[in-house]
Amino acid sequence: AQSVTQLGSHVSVSEGALVLLRCNYSSSVPPYLFWYVQYPNQGLQLLLKYTSAATLVKGINGFEAEFKKSETSFHLTKPSAHMSDAAEYFCAVSDLGGSEKLVFGKGTKLTVNP
Amino acid sequence: DTAVSQTPKYLVTQMGNDKSIKCEQNLGHDTMYWYKQDSKKFLKIMFSYNNKELIINETVPNRFSPKSPDKAHLNLHINSLELGDSAVYFCASSQRALSAGGETQYFGPGTRLLVL
Repeated sequence: AQSVTQLGSHVSVSEGALVLLRCNYSSSVPPYLFWYVQYPNQGLQLLLKYTSAATLVKGINGFEAEFKKSETSFHLTKPSAHMSDAAEYFCAVSDLGGSEKLVFGKGTKLTVNP
Repeated sequence: DTAVSQTPKYLVTQMGNDKSIKCEQNLGHDTMYWYKQDSKKFLKIMFSYNNKELIINETVPNRFSPKSPDKAHLNLHINSLELGDSAVYFCASSQRALSAGGETQYFGPGTRLLVL
């Protein structure tokens, strides 16, 4: 079964610093991978996704992620954190059985300090 | 012009009651989902419908029954509510299931259910 592991339930950075949120996946075949963001009391919004095209994926709000098959990773980065980036971030893998269900990691809460 | 909408946004009720949550999408998508987010923010799929047909039914108590009157609507009815049902329930939709994969899912704002 597909699964993802997010390392670090909480990450704290200073405004302007690099953001790095880690995600490792478990899959026997190349997966489809997603990063979603959840702002307080809101639904989830897609940041970016990997669907076997380019390994470096650019998303919204300056975020990007790189698919590394050798490391089974899909880490999310942003060069310079902004206060508005404070949110919960979820990595997810799409089930390859054709049902499209998403299997989520446990989430990483990002805090941005002024 | 909300893409995926849910009603109600908040639901506070007593144990043993029956309640429904409604979801509508105006994106023209074929597939809709229900996810449950627990108090630790963990998200888990519950159900999915593709063109009104049930395609995913995870290990969910029989007290939960989804209904899809048409492909733009997916409602969730919960019988005999229990304390452990307290959570945030998210509806989502995607263009199609049973495809090559990688479809983006669009989420509603969530329904915060509190069972007392």
